[in-house]
Amino acid sequence: GESVGLHLPTLSVQEGDNSIINCAYSNSASDYFIWYKQESGKGPQFIIDIRSNMDKRQGQRVTVLLNKTVKHLSLQIAATQPGDSAVYFCAENRAGSARQLTFGSGTQLTVLP
Amino acid sequence: KAGVTQTPRYLIKTRGQQVTLSCSPISGHRSVSWYQQTPGQGLQFLFEYFSETQRNKGNFPGRFSGRQFSNSRSEMNVSTLELGDSALYLCASSGRLAGALDTQYFGPGTRLTVL
Repeated sequence: GESVGLHLPTLSVQEGDNSIINCAYSNSASDYFIWYKQESGKGPQFIIDIRSNMDKRQGQRVTVLLNKTVKHLSLQIAATQPGDSAVYFCAENRAGSARQLTFGSGTQLTVLP
Repeated sequence: KAGVTQTPRYLIKTRGQQVTLSCSPISGHRSVSWYQQTPGQGLQFLFEYFSETQRNKGNFPGRFSGRQFSNSRSEMNVSTLELGDSALYLCASSGRLAGALDTQYFGPGTRLTVL
């Protein structure tokens, strides 16, 4: 069936290193992708988004890459900091489905001192 | 600019009861979406309202319902509560324009526990 999935449920990185969180999606009709960060006890926080007519977008310390050929999305975090420890979700908005997001299962990122 | 607010933050109910959760979107936003988050199923879409109209509905039973008021505030209701309804209920707001695929901003959620 159609789904959005993340490759790894957990990821540990050293403080200062770069982090890469991956996500695979199956619906080629999706045209908008978003990464959210969720800290314990809080709602998801928007990080960065990308539309299907782009393959790369950069923000502050974050980069999202979209490979439509293999239906793969990744989030790169540069110089990972302790405050980056959280669960990261990718989500897709399928074309024609208004504002209905389909979420992946999440990756728990732990930043080690 | 104030973010999305949800009340109450925590709620404990017993099976068979009903519950109403409230969401106030970011000022100017006309779309409100609701999601359920559980450890087993993750984040799942419940429904979306835009200008007081339900535009989209997820795969949940009819016990889950919602509405949106003229000021864009939204409520969701769950009737005849079941143990499996225990979850974090999240509200997200977005959109000043009907056709735009713009960012959804989430509130802190309401933690519902059904005993």
